Amino acid sequence: GQNIDQPTEMTATEGAIVQINCTYQTSGFNGLFWYQQHAGEAPTFLSYNVLDGLEEKGRFSSFLSRSKGYSYLLLKELQMKDSASYLCAVSYSNDYKLSFGAGTTVTVRA
Amino acid sequence: DSGVTQTPKHLITATGQRVTLRCSPRSGDLSVYWYQQSLDQGLQFLIQYYNGEERAKGNILERFSAQQFPDLHSELNLSSLELGDSALYFCASSATFGADNEQFFGPGTRLTVL
Repeated sequence: GQNIDQPTEMTATEGAIVQINCTYQTSGFNGLFWYQQHAGEAPTFLSYNVLDGLEEKGRFSSFLSRSKGYSYLLLKELQMKDSASYLCAVSYSNDYKLSFGAGTTVTVRA
Repeated sequence: DSGVTQTPKHLITATGQRVTLRCSPRSGDLSVYWYQQSLDQGLQFLIQYYNGEERAKGNILERFSAQQFPDLHSELNLSSLELGDSALYFCASSATFGADNEQFFGPGTRLTVL
């Protein structure tokens, strides 16, 4: 892999905000994906960042800093259905494949 | 529904056996990717095909092989199965071969080796 690091678990309360960080090696970096995966189900696409800055999509936003090798996924107004694993995945210019992080399991409590 | 189909949904077999997992990509997608996801590990990339040709290889064991057929469906063959091969196997597809393309994942095949 490409040393893609994200926290293993996070817990938050319904209605709250949670920020999931992801760090990666910057050499050859192309772009960064976030996927959501409910237990036992297929990953589904959330966002793709290529340029620095924040991209907002409803309750979910994703931020990228290319120079720092850092991204975060921000989940606002948490709902119970947001309980899932969130996967950070990076594409590099010298590689055809995506490199996935181990995923962050988010548990939303009432 | 991503448009990617995988069969079978569940597979239970014994050690030493051989199985074939099948994947049909989304209509129009030329790239197919195979991933393994075990309970204690994240999504591990196995192999990628683009328009019938192998494009990228990950940590795929020699006991495993894959191919993509002219109609673009793909099969992953797992042989001499071991207990540790028990996992969810996902297929994903994308329009082209570049890693910057969004990948659409199938529902997965859950393999249990007893």
